[in-house]
Amino acid sequence: GQQLNQSPQSMFIQEGEDVSMNCTSSSIFNTWLWYKQDPGEGPVLLIALYKAGELTSNGRLTAQFGITRKDSFLNISASIPSDVGIYFCAGQGIQGAQKLVFGQGTRLTINP
Amino acid sequence: SAVISQKPSRDICQRGTSLTIQCQVDSQVTMMFWYRQQPGQSLTLIATANQGSEATYESGFVIDKFPISRPNLTFSTLTVSNMSPEDSSIYLCSVEWGSGRNIQYFGAGTRLSVL
Repeated sequence: GQQLNQSPQSMFIQEGEDVSMNCTSSSIFNTWLWYKQDPGEGPVLLIALYKAGELTSNGRLTAQFGITRKDSFLNISASIPSDVGIYFCAGQGIQGAQKLVFGQGTRLTINP
Repeated sequence: SAVISQKPSRDICQRGTSLTIQCQVDSQVTMMFWYRQQPGQSLTLIATANQGSEATYESGFVIDKFPISRPNLTFSTLTVSNMSPEDSSIYLCSVEWGSGRNIQYFGAGTRLSVL
């Protein structure tokens, strides 16, 4: 089946640092989504991207839909303790399907 | 976004028993989905549940093991049947919501441990 390769798998950073993570796929997606999952919770949508080349911001978060439609990145600027969690990319829309394909996740740990 | 409630939030079950997980949405939605998240892993789609039709299962998941009901546009259940320790996971319900550009929103999940 389709797979998304998300990297890095984990990050250990200092508070205030910027963060960058990305996802790549061998297949084309029509929509890229970025979710964050806190312990004991379900994934919460951060950013949705709908067009190749689209760059979208949500506060300190910025994400881009790659031109080839096979990749996306998420940047977090000036990290704060509440940014700790697991970040997942998800692709949607292969061959008209509405199901989501998830990346493996990036676990972000912040040292105060 | 839609508000999604899952019950139970967690459970500890004995091998060989079955557990039914409920998913309630505060709005009518066409598409509902059930995912499994094994410990330390990503989310894997189990099936898509549409009201008025049989659920569509992904490769590796079968109806006998994970029967799904979708009696109306705001409710669905997933049953984990004849459980074994390998079924210990988080089970998540999601709904597709929004006009035009539908986005999936998730419930908080059900944390299942099988002894």
